[in-house]
Amino acid sequence: SQTIHQWPATLVQPVGSPLSLECTVEGTSNPNLYWYRQAAGRGLQLLFYSVGIGQISSEVPQNLSASRPQDRQFILSSKKLLLSDSGFYLCAWRTGAYNEQFFGPGTRLTVL
Amino acid sequence: AQSVTQPDIHITVSEGASLELRCNYSYGATPYLFWYVQSPGQGLQLLLKYFSGDTLVQGIKGFEAEFKRSQSSFNLRKPSVHWSDAAEYFCAVGNRDSSYKLIFGSGTRLLVRP
Repeated sequence: SQTIHQWPATLVQPVGSPLSLECTVEGTSNPNLYWYRQAAGRGLQLLFYSVGIGQISSEVPQNLSASRPQDRQFILSSKKLLLSDSGFYLCAWRTGAYNEQFFGPGTRLTVL
Repeated sequence: AQSVTQPDIHITVSEGASLELRCNYSYGATPYLFWYVQSPGQGLQLLLKYFSGDTLVQGIKGFEAEFKRSQSSFNLRKPSVHWSDAAEYFCAVGNRDSSYKLIFGSGTRLLVRP
């Protein structure tokens, strides 16, 4: 069966520090991968999605970036965090067998 | 542009009472439609989905939803709410292109009175 992992689960970082969040999927191949951010009390905002290795589409201009170095690995990065980057970051995947997305457990990021 | 509206930010129901959560969407064609549930601090779990065919779809945990094209709605229902149903519920519309992107509503927080 397929599983999705995100780490770390929680992170507290100072303003201006770098960021790297990792998402990996097991049990499937060539998935579409997605990064979402959920601000406190808000819905989900799609940040990036990828349909294959090295293929990244950005939905919202910001100081975040994403990379997909391997088929089942999706990384969210920043060179310098802002206070507004705080939130709950969710990774999701889908493959051709499904039209729905399956979500990971999330990473809670607090920027101080 | 595609959009999803969940007009109720909070809903409070008594345990055992029926529930209906509203969802309206804007999409140029027949959409993929989804309902997800999120417990505090957790990821999202798929409750049910609509792609085509029967407009009344059944999901997990006793939930169902009805697609009404004329009203651009996909409301979620449950005949008898349990205390464990307290959570946040998100409606989403999905692209039918290769991206399969989802556009989410802002969510409805369900509170259950004992």
